[in-house]
Amino acid sequence: DSGVTQTPKHLITATGQRVTLRCSPRSGDLSVYWYQQSLDQGLQFLIHYYNGEERAKGNILERFSAQQFPDLHSELNLSSLELGDSALYFCASSQQGTGEKLFFGSGTQLSVL
Amino acid sequence: SQQGEEDPQALSIQEGENATMNCSYKTSINNLQWYRQNSGRGLVHLILIRSNEREKHSGRLRVTLDTSKKSSSLLITASRAADTASYFCATAGGSGSARQLTFGSGTQLTVLP
Repeated sequence: DSGVTQTPKHLITATGQRVTLRCSPRSGDLSVYWYQQSLDQGLQFLIHYYNGEERAKGNILERFSAQQFPDLHSELNLSSLELGDSALYFCASSQQGTGEKLFFGSGTQLSVL
Repeated sequence: SQQGEEDPQALSIQEGENATMNCSYKTSINNLQWYRQNSGRGLVHLILIRSNEREKHSGRLRVTLDTSKKSSSLLITASRAADTASYFCATAGGSGSARQLTFGSGTQLTVLP
């Protein structure tokens, strides 16, 4: 158990819908990272938050947004969903924002039908 | 795009044999990390090697880093069936507390009993 909690584990929805993925980092970790994993794209970095502030953005679509709350949990919002958004979404946390030794959650499997 | 590329894409060996996976990257790095992913699960951090280090050991794992060739290798000695997983190298871009970790495409290791 990494100590990082992601909910829900599975999500099935329809095209055009909006969903919210939630992540609780390990106790004491200030950084939260979001990744998307699919067979054709591999592991893609989406966004990094450190202590409530956005610190780095990767290949995140404009239809996607995220935030980190004062209690350090984070949410990833996906809207106007398309079939191609179907993927495994991971949250990871670390103590600092240096990108060293990330602890990953077990992921949310999103299926867009 | 991926910063690191692993080679080979897939590797199948017998239990007890050694497994070697290679990673090449494009830009200068501060450190390089290796992660392991069991099918459909979250990634687990294995080992981190800094740019001023050439070799590092952790149990049955040995990592080497050649910054002049922009490459790293992960050696798993005396492999076990439980080592069957995907292995990813990762490099950190950005600076300070705004680093983002970029993963390669991974090597799928199968250890046959």
